[in-house]
Amino acid sequence: GNSVTQMEGPVTLSEEAFLTINCTYTATGYPSLFWYVQYPGEGLQLLLKATKADDKGSNKGFEATYRKETTSFHLEKGSVQVSDSAVYFCALTLPYGGSQGNLIFGKGTKLSVKP
Amino acid sequence: DADVTQTPRNRITKTGKRIMLECSQTKGHDRMYWYRQDPGLGLRLIYYSFDVKDINKGEISDGYSVSRQAQAKFSLSLESAIPNQTALYFCATSEGNQPQHFGDGTRLSIL
Repeated sequence: GNSVTQMEGPVTLSEEAFLTINCTYTATGYPSLFWYVQYPGEGLQLLLKATKADDKGSNKGFEATYRKETTSFHLEKGSVQVSDSAVYFCALTLPYGGSQGNLIFGKGTKLSVKP
Repeated sequence: DADVTQTPRNRITKTGKRIMLECSQTKGHDRMYWYRQDPGLGLRLIYYSFDVKDINKGEISDGYSVSRQAQAKFSLSLESAIPNQTALYFCATSEGNQPQHFGDGTRLSIL
């Protein structure tokens, strides 16, 4: 079936450290890929997305590249800040079928950034 | 004002009670969704609606029901709440296949 696997947390980094959160997927066809972020006490917000192979999504210093050959969409940021502390979810949608557009989520990775 | 509003934000109730969680949106989106979030499990889809006359079960619909009263309103009901339905519930909306927009969630505790 279709699924998303992301690295387990929690991840604890010092401010200005480099961040990578791994995400791989299993899907038939060509899914769209997303990273959502959930700040404490809030709902999920779209962070970035990519809709086809080799697309790079970017926002707020975060980047992720859609790698079809490795079925991956790893999230990276060169220098994290305390304000980046949140839970990050990788997700996909399928462009076909009765449930097209429905999100399939990974389990989330909690990031804590220390000053 | 929030684009996707969930009420209540917090609710504590007892086993066996009927609970309704409400969601309203001002975005004019056609699609609405209900998810639950549990620690370590991510978000799981309960029900979704592609328009007012279209309601579909998601991954974990047992024990839940929904009503799409209008394009802007989508409510989730627990007919007889049980403790393992204690979770954080999120409503989301989207326009077609575009990215979903989430409310701030309802924290539900069932004793």
